[in-house]
Amino acid sequence: QSALTQPASVSGSPGQSITISCTGTSSDIGMYDYVSWYQQHPGKAPQLLIYDVAKWPSGASNRFSGSKSGNTASLTISGLLAEDEADYYCCSYTVDSTLIFGGGTKVTVL
Amino acid sequence: QVRLQESGPGLVRPSETLSLTCAVSGYSISSGYYWGWLRQAPGKGLEWIASFYHSGSNTYNPSLRSRVSISVDTATNQFSLSLTSVTAADSAVYYCARRYRHCPATSSCYITDAFDLWGQGTKVLVSS
Repeated sequence: QSALTQPASVSGSPGQSITISCTGTSSDIGMYDYVSWYQQHPGKAPQLLIYDVAKWPSGASNRFSGSKSGNTASLTISGLLAEDEADYYCCSYTVDSTLIFGGGTKVTVL
Repeated sequence: QVRLQESGPGLVRPSETLSLTCAVSGYSISSGYYWGWLRQAPGKGLEWIASFYHSGSNTYNPSLRSRVSISVDTATNQFSLSLTSVTAADSAVYYCARRYRHCPATSSCYITDAFDLWGQGTKVLVSS
């Protein structure tokens, strides 16, 4: 069970939009609409941003949006803020009824 | 306000068993929701360990299944993780978490595969 593939880093300037990709296989992302995204600041627990590909949990910011095409899911951060500088992880349900995470993407706000 | 708090030994010897507990406050774990354990090795990404319901229906990461067991104590409102035969590769911050329950306006609630509530994490080092 290999981890989902995310870019190691993505950067952008304040106010810009950036997109983080998350590539899996036809046994996970491609099969189910059960992709979630998490934000993690250093030394803190992860925080849920998106679930079921594109839904916001209660209290989540709509500056974060999710989508999926084939075996690849994406997280877009709009109106980038300094506080968005963090690590981001995708996660997908799999055909084995398990969960698999991506390796994480470090977002830098220039 | 629902809170999760992990506890356990910060240091475990190689080949021994790691035991961690997650205390839940503000909600009875027997009232519903699925729960889970996850971990994060130093400088690495998140890894899902297991998900479970208070009355069973456990699922495990295939790479850890043979060494992991989950127990639930509804009397004390806690659940525990046991990981046997630990090695240095098991050194990590361990988190307990709750799976998010979505309640649409026009249909029944359902439990998603996402974790919306996390403990602060407990750091475990496996070393002699």
